[in-house]
Amino acid sequence: AQSVTQPDIHITVSEGASLELRCNYSYGATPYLFWYVQSPGQGLQLLLKYFSGDTLVQGIKGFEAEFKRSQSSFNLRKPSVHWSDAAEYFCAVASGTYKYIFGTGTRLKVLA
Amino acid sequence: DAGVIQSPRHEVTEMGQEVTLRCKLISGHNSLFWYRQTMMRGLELLIYFNNNVPIDDSGMPEDRFSAKMPNASFSTLKIQPSEPRDSAVYFCASTTAMSSYNEQFFGPGTRLTVL
Repeated sequence: AQSVTQPDIHITVSEGASLELRCNYSYGATPYLFWYVQSPGQGLQLLLKYFSGDTLVQGIKGFEAEFKRSQSSFNLRKPSVHWSDAAEYFCAVASGTYKYIFGTGTRLKVLA
Repeated sequence: DAGVIQSPRHEVTEMGQEVTLRCKLISGHNSLFWYRQTMMRGLELLIYFNNNVPIDDSGMPEDRFSAKMPNASFSTLKIQPSEPRDSAVYFCASTTAMSSYNEQFFGPGTRLTVL
């Protein structure tokens, strides 16, 4: 069955430091992969998505993610974190024609 | 453009009461998803509509939950009777087509507390 694993429940980084959030997926076919961000009290907003082509994907707010088929991973990165990046981040894989399978999320805390 | 609109944003009710959550899709979207988010289970898909027709309701927890889409732009999720274990944040999301690679646009959610 399709699944998404985000092994880090919480991550704390200092403002200005680099960030990497991990995501591993299990999916038989070529996956459609997404990263969403949820700010406190808000809905989810799409950061970036991968379907095919270049395995390094650029998103909004300075985020990027790299698809590595051999590792079944789609890790999210940002070279320099801002205090406003504190939020919860969800990785998702599209299953079938419409259904997303979401990971359990990683809550990011940014220290001033 | 207005995004997905949900009402109410917060709902506190007593066990046994009927609860109705509302969602207005983005204009031009024809697919709607209802999700439930809890600490224990994360984000769960409850039901999916395409062109007003329920396509997949396998995530609806039990008969106490029902969802309708009376027109192309509006949907309701009803819980009757409500129970404390229904406490969660309920999101609706809309998109333009029945396709995996179309972004789902999420509303701000309704935080439901059942006492």
